[in-house]
Amino acid sequence: SAVISQKPSRDICQRGTSLTIQCQVDSQVTMMFWYRQQPGQSLTLIATANQGSEATYESGFVIDKFPISRPNLTFSTLTVSNMSPEDSSIYLCSVEGGDQGLGRDGDTQYFGPGTRLTVL
Amino acid sequence: DQQVKQNSPSLSVQEGRISILNCDYTNSMFDYFLWYKKYPAEGPTFLISISSIKDKNEDGRFTVFLNKSAKHLSLHIVPSQPGDSAVYFCAASLASYGKLTFGQGTILTVHP
Repeated sequence: SAVISQKPSRDICQRGTSLTIQCQVDSQVTMMFWYRQQPGQSLTLIATANQGSEATYESGFVIDKFPISRPNLTFSTLTVSNMSPEDSSIYLCSVEGGDQGLGRDGDTQYFGPGTRLTVL
Repeated sequence: DQQVKQNSPSLSVQEGRISILNCDYTNSMFDYFLWYKKYPAEGPTFLISISSIKDKNEDGRFTVFLNKSAKHLSLHIVPSQPGDSAVYFCAASLASYGKLTFGQGTILTVHP
């Protein structure tokens, strides 16, 4: 079965620096998603990343702060730029199942293990 | 605006009994609903889903019920096992849009 992996699994960063998180899927998928889970909060969608086009950002998230790359159908990166302590969160990528071979329904999303980011 | 709400932050159940987790939503356009389980330091794991054209979906010990008129769904786990102890999230989506809107989560503890 397909596997979703993320790197790094965790990191501690200094204020003002940037961190790039990688998401790798071992099968080709059309849509990849990036979510954030702040401490004690639910999961919130940051952006949708389709291969060959610009990422689509949700309200409250901007490309300058969270640039995303999607160079092919199995890989994406999310960069958290100019970090502040408020960016301390778990960052998760997900992919849709169905035809891509990961799940039972095209609308179901499957998540990677997450990247736990702490900003000092 | 919290479009998906899980009003119970936690639930404690004895092993072998039924666990019922509840979820309410406000957007009547949602047409697909999912439940995820999350352990600490792991990503959410998909459990079960239901389309708005159905009112019940079953998968082993897990059953999801949907009441569209009340904008309410619930997850039943029977029988509950200690390994079910985790945070449970409900989520909702609009067809073909992709975005999942999550509730705040309910911490389920199943005691041996």
